[in-house]
This record gives sequence, structure tokens and C-alpha cells, in this order.
Amino acid sequence: AQKITQTQPGMFVQEKEAVTLDCTYDTSDPSYGLFWYKQPSSGEMIFLIYQGSYDQQNATEGRYSLNFQKARKSANLVISASQLGDSAMYFCAILNSNSGYALNFGKGTSLLVTP
Amino acid sequence: NAGVTQTPKFRVLKTGQSMTLLCAQDMNHEYMYWYRQDPGMGLRLIHYSVGEGTTAKGEVPDGYNVSRLKKQNFLLGLESAAPSQTSVYFCASSYSPYLGADNEQFFGPGTRLTVL
Repeated sequence: AQKITQTQPGMFVQEKEAVTLDCTYDTSDPSYGLFWYKQPSSGEMIFLIYQGSYDQQNATEGRYSLNFQKARKSANLVISASQLGDSAMYFCAILNSNSGYALNFGKGTSLLVTP
Repeated sequence: NAGVTQTPKFRVLKTGQSMTLLCAQDMNHEYMYWYRQDPGMGLRLIHYSVGEGTTAKGEVPDGYNVSRLKKQNFLLGLESAAPSQTSVYFCASSYSPYLGADNEQFFGPGTRLTVL
């Protein structure tokens, strides 16, 4: 079974600084995919970034990048140059090949960006 | 192109009442999912469908039923609502079952359900 652990319930960062949100995972699948989603206070789920287990490079999307360490089973999200609009819940998730490729989510990290 | 839509957005039920949540997608996706989100928790899978006419149980299926009679629609039913089913319900869909960013799940806006 796949499992995602996000150990930081809440994080603070000052505007324009970088922040790292932690995610560790456990899976028995030889190949797997990891996602990060953002959920602002309005409630919608916004896809941020994807990392495949066999991707040669760590994923990047604009100000978002993944620090993917396969041996450590970690996929930490790095947000550079934080903006006030980055304040939200952030969820790490792994594809579950046993459930129609649904997502197994962590409990999330609440990020607050301060001026 | 509306993406994934959910009806209704809010609902209050009394214990024992029934209701159906409707999810519709216009992206021709094969895979559809129902999740619930409770305070302090991530999303948990209730049921899913890998194509028209198919459904399967997820992590927390008790008290719910689903149907996928048309490819674009995925219905979630509560036959006899209980206070423990108070939650925010999200529907999602995806195009590809294979690993890759193409398997991004597109989420609906959510339905906030309160059972008194």
C-alpha cells in the first residue's frame, strides 16, 4: 500500500523568501508518480507539479521545484520567491496503482506567507 | 470547456435523508473519482470508475453508492445520511491511467455537505 507523510502541519515564510515543504512516501510499486496540489482558502484543488520515479531530472514548474530523493523516499516541494498568494494548504500525493490510479494524499501543510 | 463540475455546491441534510451528488466532466476522461475531505485530513478515496459502466470501492466506501451510466457523469449517492458523512466532497477525473503528468487529476470545486 502507498502512504504519504507530511510532517509539517504549518509553515511560515516571509514574502520573497524560499520555502521547502516536506513529503515522504512509502510504496511497493517499482514505478510510481508523485503530485503536489495547492488548496487555497477558496477550496479548489490546483495541480502544481508532477514527478515520476524514473524521471531523469527533478521536476520544475515556474517557481515550483521538487527536491526528489528516491533513495530517501522523499519528494519535497520548493517554492522560490514566495508571494502572498502562495498562502494555502499544500498536499503531496502518490498514484495508487491498486485503485484505478487514484491519488493517496498526505494530510497537508498549511503555508502562510507574511509581508 | 467547463472542466469538472459538481452539483450542488452546498447541501444540508437531516440524518436518514438521501441525496445524490452529480459530477460531470467534458474532457472525455475515462477515469473518475470521488473523494471526501475532512478537517485536518487529506482527501480520501470513496469510489472510482475506470470507464463507463464500471465502478469500484476506494478506501472509505461505506454508506455510499455510485453509478457511471454515461462516460461524462459520475454520481455519488447517500442512501441514509449520517452525521459522520458531513464533509467536503470532491470529484476528479483523469485521462490516462499511466504514469506521467498526463495523469493529472482535474478536480471539481467541491460540495460541502452537512448532515444534522
